[in-house]
Amino acid sequence: AQKITQTQPGMFVQEKEAVTLDCTYDTSDQSYGLFWYKQPSSGEMIFLIYQGSYDEQNATEGRYSLNFQKARKSANLVISASQLGDSAMYFCAMREGVTAGGYNKLIFGAGTRLAVHP
Amino acid sequence: DVKVTQSSRYLVKRTGEKVFLECVQDMDHENMFWYRQDPGLGLRLIYFSYDVKMKEKGDIPEGYSVSREKKERFSLILESASTNQTSMYLCASTKEIGGTNTEAFFGQGTRLTVV
Repeated sequence: AQKITQTQPGMFVQEKEAVTLDCTYDTSDQSYGLFWYKQPSSGEMIFLIYQGSYDEQNATEGRYSLNFQKARKSANLVISASQLGDSAMYFCAMREGVTAGGYNKLIFGAGTRLAVHP
Repeated sequence: DVKVTQSSRYLVKRTGEKVFLECVQDMDHENMFWYRQDPGLGLRLIYFSYDVKMKEKGDIPEGYSVSREKKERFSLILESASTNQTSMYLCASTKEIGGTNTEAFFGQGTRLTVV
């Protein structure tokens, strides 16, 4: 069964510092994709970054990078130079590759609430 | 601009009522999903659909059904609403291109309260 685990219900960080949000996943599939989404207090879901299971380089998008350790099945999100606007809920998600006769579903972890302090 | 629209932002229903939550996307996406979001539990997948009239159960389908008669519309049905179905419901869609790298686009959410 698929599973996404985010062990940090809440984190806080000082403005301008870096922070790492943890995510581990469980899959028996060889082909899968990992995503991070941000949900501010307004409730919208904002896509941040994607990492494919066959990608050799860690994904980066501006201040966001994904620390992908395939053997450990972890996909941690690193936010550099935190800003006050980064305060939000962060979700890790996984989508497995299409398998014969099946279609890939997208599942999420429980989330981590990040608070950035001035 | 891509768009996923949920029919209601807030909804209050009585126990035992049949409830319909509607979701429409204008991106010609094949896949559509229904999640419920509860504090501490994240987003849990209720049902998803990968084509018209096709559906698959997610992790928590009990008490729910879905309908997809047209590609752009995916409905979530609570056959007989109960108080434990009070939650935030999120609809999402993705393009199916045979890979895993398609991000999901979300609706604004429907906060359902069952009294």
